[in-house]
Amino acid sequence: QTVVTQEPSFSVSPGGTVTLTCGLSSGSVSTSYYPTWYQQTPGQAPRTLIYSTSIRSSGVPDRFSGSIVGSKAALTITGAQADDESDYYCVLSMGSGIWVFGGGTKLTVL
Amino acid sequence: EVQLVESGGGLIQPGGSLRLSCAASGFPINNNFMNWVRQAPGRGLEWISIVYSSGNTYYAASVRGRFTVSRDISTNTLYLQMDSLRAEDTAVYYCARQRGIKYDMDVWGQGATVTVSS
Repeated sequence: QTVVTQEPSFSVSPGGTVTLTCGLSSGSVSTSYYPTWYQQTPGQAPRTLIYSTSIRSSGVPDRFSGSIVGSKAALTITGAQADDESDYYCVLSMGSGIWVFGGGTKLTVL
Repeated sequence: EVQLVESGGGLIQPGGSLRLSCAASGFPINNNFMNWVRQAPGRGLEWISIVYSSGNTYYAASVRGRFTVSRDISTNTLYLQMDSLRAEDTAVYYCARQRGIKYDMDVWGQGATVTVSS
């Protein structure tokens, strides 16, 4: 069974740039996987940041961007702010109706 | 207002059954994909099921054969029938709308807590 991989944790300085990635235990992520990125704070439902690789959801600041970098989907935060400290999840369409979330990345801004 | 409201969570013994409901308002569920996603305590998100606008259903391997998703178009309600429950099914269960395969899960419910324990 294919596993979706994410960095368990990442740290960024305020104002800095960080790229979180979303890969596969076997194979490469492409736009055909429709990678989607969610932000979640404790006790809250997830909020969409990016869908279909690079489309920013309504109301999401343009410091968040999505792309494919090498064999992985990537979420880049440019000019990180304190309230970006959250858990970030990617999800991929595996085909045949199946979606799989990555394990999530806990981002610390300090 | 576009909204999803889950209900039906609770404490259930291992091997038992429970049915979650997800009442939608502000949009027709049969024109959208509707998902169930769960989150175990202190853990990440896990996609578990989807029903397409066509009515086709799909499940994660972890619940296939035990969980059944259905919808009632007349009441605009999504259901998740959960049978043969295990301790590892303990989680907050969310329903979420998705406009199509190229889109995100853009509307989420508040979550229903299911605890499987003796």
